[in-house]
Amino acid sequence: EAGVVQSPRYKIIEKKQPVAFWCNPISGHNTLYWYLQNLGQGPELLIRYENEEAVDDSQLPKDRFSAERLKGVDSTLKIQPAELGDSAVYLCASSLETSSETQYFGPGTRLLVL
Amino acid sequence: AQSVTQLGSHVSVSEGALVLLRCNYSSSVPPYLFWYVQYPNQGLQLLLKYTSAATLVKGINGFEAEFKKSETSFHLTKPSAHMSDAAEYFCAVSPNYGGSQGNLIFGKGTKLSVKP
Repeated sequence: EAGVVQSPRYKIIEKKQPVAFWCNPISGHNTLYWYLQNLGQGPELLIRYENEEAVDDSQLPKDRFSAERLKGVDSTLKIQPAELGDSAVYLCASSLETSSETQYFGPGTRLLVL
Repeated sequence: AQSVTQLGSHVSVSEGALVLLRCNYSSSVPPYLFWYVQYPNQGLQLLLKYTSAATLVKGINGFEAEFKKSETSFHLTKPSAHMSDAAEYFCAVSPNYGGSQGNLIFGKGTKLSVKP
């Protein structure tokens, strides 16, 4: 079974530029999560989707961050414009449902903003 | 609000020694609890989880954790460390009710080093 796929794995951009990350969850997983992981910290939830609906985006900085999951399968997270402080690892995870279901994580996209 | 505290950002043990990674949670209602492992440049992998069944939970790679409600703890142990256990370990809590049900709240992580 294929795991959670993320691309790109690494991205270097200059500040004020836009950037997008893509995630394809495990087949059949209805719930998709985007997490932000700063260096030396644990992941922090940005947004959670159940199918195509964003059911929890309370931690998403909406002035510059946006996300979509149009067909309830793969998802895109965008930052526009990027700031130096956005340098981090962006992790995508998926699970069958929410509640106590195990979340399966992708390898992440490491972003460096110069 | 729920939170997780991992005592010790870095733990070093000798190969074959006991591994003990500490995790305490803050919650008015016993939540679901998880331990994840992260190897360099990789995503997180589930080691084990507690979802209100048996308080002693066995996971992969010989790890286990015990839920102690009276101590609000969920410490991770392994009787004998192996070199391949060197990684970063994250404890996480998930509310089992309400709109945040299923969201993981992570601790800051503990980096485990294993000396030969």
